[in-house]
Amino acid sequence: EIVMTQSPATLSVSPGERATLSCRASQSVSSNLAWYQQKPGQAPRLLIYGASTRATGIPARFSGSGSGTEFTLTISSLQSEDFAVYYCQQYNNWPLYTFGQGTKLEIK
Amino acid sequence: QVQLVQSGAEVKKPGASVKVSCKASGYTFSDYYTHWVRQAPGQGLEWMGWINPNGGGTNYAQKFQGRVTMTRDTSISTAYMELSSLRSDDTAVYYCARDQCSGSSCPFFDYWGQGTLVTVSS
Repeated sequence: EIVMTQSPATLSVSPGERATLSCRASQSVSSNLAWYQQKPGQAPRLLIYGASTRATGIPARFSGSGSGTEFTLTISSLQSEDFAVYYCQQYNNWPLYTFGQGTKLEIK
Repeated sequence: QVQLVQSGAEVKKPGASVKVSCKASGYTFSDYYTHWVRQAPGQGLEWMGWINPNGGGTNYAQKFQGRVTMTRDTSISTAYMELSSLRSDDTAVYYCARDQCSGSSCPFFDYWGQGTLVTVSS
């Protein structure tokens, strides 16, 4: 099983600032990585797939990068609606697709 | 617009089974795999498996093999997930989610149901 480790567990950032979230895989997942946003009481929302491709309707302030074992989600200028929990997911290792434990992005 | 609407919350006793439904609308149900993902209270996301509505083929995470059954009824565009021999640690919100890719599995998930809380308690 590929273990996905996200850091930090909690990130405190002020609105308008830049947020950088990390995700590390225990072995290479190539570019088969997705990012999701989840707000309390809601289902996750797909943000990024293929490590760097924004999903339909996702604002340009969200960007993803990385390949292999190291990945980053960057939110360039935080809006109030961006404070949420973010999960990475690898889908390289068929047939077990694993998620990270999440990073909570909170208002500083 | 694409929608996945799940059945309501359930309370079950240990050892029982639960069956959750997921009704799809706004797209051709048979063209996209349906996945099931669960989330224990305050915890992260756990992928359980998928069903290909076109033919009914399934693939389950090893952790759930023997306890989970995913089925579908294409006539009503609905997928089902049944989990048996429930334990207290099966208490979670269960989500269905649509695979983004048509005709095959990507597998990342572009539309999600609202979630169904399953509580296992004696």
